[in-house]
Amino acid sequence: DAKTTQPPSMDCAEGRAANLPCNHSTISGNEYVYWYRQIHSQGPQYIIHGLKNNETNEMASLIITEDRKSSTLILPHATLRDTAVYYCIVSLRTGAGSYQLTFGKGTKLSVIP
Amino acid sequence: NAGVTQTPKFRILKIGQSMTLQCAQDMNHNYMYWYRQDPGMGLKLIYYSVGAGITDKGEVPNGYNVSRSTTEDFPLRLELAAPSQTSVYFCASSRSSPYEQYFGPGTRLTVT
Repeated sequence: DAKTTQPPSMDCAEGRAANLPCNHSTISGNEYVYWYRQIHSQGPQYIIHGLKNNETNEMASLIITEDRKSSTLILPHATLRDTAVYYCIVSLRTGAGSYQLTFGKGTKLSVIP
Repeated sequence: NAGVTQTPKFRILKIGQSMTLQCAQDMNHNYMYWYRQDPGMGLKLIYYSVGAGITDKGEVPNGYNVSRSTTEDFPLRLELAAPSQTSVYFCASSRSSPYEQYFGPGTRLTVT
């Protein structure tokens, strides 16, 4: 499985864009990049995922470099409620047809008033 | 929709006891998953299922068993509980892969 590297923590001012980086230099062609977040001790919440192209939804944007070795999650206007641990995950398709998620330690994002 | 529900929310077990963690989803998802999360760590996959009657091991299956007799339910069985199984257990479901997984609120288990 491809591994990911994320900074352990980041701060962001409220109202500003939060840019969370992730390195996945050993990613292979059929592996997706997923982003989830976990607020306090709640269950993780899906944010976005992508394969090759940049993706955008109502929560965030995902920018994947052309060589797919790194990506950036962008929260366009961070609020205090975005304070959470953000996980970048590269997922490999299993023989049973499921994409397994392997969570690392993630990045603790603190949004500052 | 209630989404993914888990019971109980908290449980304390003595070493050697057994218990079943319940997980149910009302979204008609085919795929269901069990994860554990140790303090300060990310989640690790224990078992998963791609449909009723089909289960497979994840990264850390030892000490656990699962069954999937219906689409809605995916119980996790702990046999002979050990202190190393003290953790927070999350159940999740997804429509298919690689679609997003929806997580339940978790079960906090302490084995003493």
